[in-house]
Amino acid sequence: QVQLVESGGGLVKPGGSLRLSCAASGFSFSDYYMSWIRQAPGKGLEWVSYISGSSTYINYADSVKGRFTISRDNANNSLFLQMNSLRAEDTAVYYCARDISGGFRLWGQGTLVTVSS
Amino acid sequence: EIVMTQSPATLSVSPGERATLSCRASQSVYRNLVWYQQKPGQAPRLLIYGASTRATGIPARFSGSGSGTEFTLTISSLQSEDFAVYYCQQYDNWPPITFGQGTRLEIK
Repeated sequence: QVQLVESGGGLVKPGGSLRLSCAASGFSFSDYYMSWIRQAPGKGLEWVSYISGSSTYINYADSVKGRFTISRDNANNSLFLQMNSLRAEDTAVYYCARDISGGFRLWGQGTLVTVSS
Repeated sequence: EIVMTQSPATLSVSPGERATLSCRASQSVYRNLVWYQQKPGQAPRLLIYGASTRATGIPARFSGSGSGTEFTLTISSLQSEDFAVYYCQQYDNWPPITFGQGTRLEIK
């Protein structure tokens, strides 16, 4: 079954850290760009970061640059997002998504990150 | 950064009627534009890519048009399951990948 399943969300204090994971199945994971996209409560979609299949190309939104790190483990079909120095404005549902050109064709169900004291 | 602007923010339409949603790019994205549908509590679903090509499994009542900076998503005869939020997104010039702010399609 072709799917993405995120995990690792939760409640964290401002300034804290969290690591999100995304488990991929049903397709050749290493062939695809992967991204993290977030959605603050009641708000729209915001692209956060992408990584190419071989990890050669990585980019971040300005809002998270220097605080978040994307990585992948192709041997285990997994995508990660290490989030440091978290702020209240990072509170959102975080989705992992596959592809870039032609749109994000496959999405996970999302994992909620809440940054609050 | 290419800014995507959707209008209107909210659209009220009766079931069975046609809905027309707009998306404007701050500079040309050629036809490198997609539309998503998002229902409450769900991840977005890709509807249209390449401005006008329906994704796999998307009903024919959904159609996309436009190029350059002006794009339209049309739903020809609204069904109850079509009431949702719709987002456009450009993939012509990235990073960053940018989305519109969304149009909420509600039942009139």
